[in-house]
This record gives sequence, C-alpha cells and structure tokens, in this order.
Amino acid sequence: SQQGEEDPQALSIQEGENATMNCSYKTSINNLQWYRQNSGRGLVHLILIRSNEREKHSGRLRVTLDTSKKSSSLLITASRAADTASYFCARYNQGGKLIFGQGTELSVKP
Amino acid sequence: DAGVIQSPRHEVTEMGQEVTLRCKPISGHNSLFWYRQTMMRGLELLIYFNNNVPIDDSGMPEDRFSAKMPNASFSTLKIQPSEPRDSAVYFCASSPTRRAYNEQFFGPGTRLTVL
Repeated sequence: SQQGEEDPQALSIQEGENATMNCSYKTSINNLQWYRQNSGRGLVHLILIRSNEREKHSGRLRVTLDTSKKSSSLLITASRAADTASYFCARYNQGGKLIFGQGTELSVKP
Repeated sequence: DAGVIQSPRHEVTEMGQEVTLRCKPISGHNSLFWYRQTMMRGLELLIYFNNNVPIDDSGMPEDRFSAKMPNASFSTLKIQPSEPRDSAVYFCASSPTRRAYNEQFFGPGTRLTVL
C-alpha cells in the first residue's frame, strides 16, 4: 500500500512545454524525494527537498514543498522527448520505509 | 562505480519452481532494500537490511519469500515455491545509510514471469 497520491496519473505534452506533477501526503516528513523511471528500467533519484525547504532547483527541474498543505510539485521546464518517463514522489514513514506514490506517466511528444 | 547490480535481468519459470534473485549493492552502502513493482500495487518495499541485518520484513508477502544478506556485497531474494501471482519486476536498491533518510540507488530490476 502506498501513502502518497500523485496527479495527474498521466500527462501528455509537446516538446518545449512545461510539465507539472503534484504529490500529496498524509503525515509529517523529514524530506520528500522525486524519482524518475524510464520504461523497463530502475528508478533514478532526481531531487530531495527537506522539510525546512520550500523550493529547490536542479537544472530544468524545480521542486516546491508546502508542508502546511502536505503537498509537493515537480516542474520540468522546456521538456524534451527524453523526459518521457514515469515520475514518483517518495517519503520516509516513521518506520524508516521509503513510501512511493503511484506515479505520473509523462509523455513528451516531439 | 557500476551501480547496483541485479541478476538475472529476466527470469521465466514454472509454478512451483524455486526462484533466486541476486543483488550486489554499491560498495560502501550499508542499507539494502528489496522492492516489488506491479501494475496493480505499484512499488512495494518487501524487506530492508542495515549492516547486513534484516530490519523490517513486514512487506514480505508470505513465508514463500525469504531474503538473506550474508555479507555487505551480496543479497538474495528467494521465492519457493513460486506462483503466477509472484510475476512482477523486483528491484534491489542501496543507500549509504538509513538514518539520514538518504536517496536510494536502484538496480535495473529482475523481471520475473511465473507460468
């Protein structure tokens, strides 16, 4: 069972457009992480945002965190066809387990 | 570093057979995790080890599943006997340490098909 909710479940955009994915969670967090999974591959860590941070950037990625709303968003700017993948948010629960959301499937059309 | 290594990458077996999945974590990482991914249930944590010791196996679905970590560089996940509902992609991941709530580094996965 998973304790994160992501939306949308699927997103299709044109190359060059921005993609925004959202993640909500239910309990307090130490940090929140975003991962990418290309089809048939393992997950790759993208970015980690700590609970005392509100925004973080990494290249074309921008992550925001609103602990009062228990939500986070991942923005990919100027998307490319190579960004096509599934994106997951994840957080550690009190038992020390990393819990993943169900993911957003992003398709970037050239 | 070669990253997390898993073998085999694909396994097709018949119901009732024993299946052993293998994982070599990144050198120096002292936490190791086994996950299962299916369309229906998403990504589920099965078990994790810290310094070769199993910390939480509450995600292991049944007694048919067992995992070992005999040393810091090797772990196995065994299913005996296997059933069709065990068909999934099994991932191994490692992390430098559990307490710091670090990122995890995933292997390429083993796609298991039980006929």
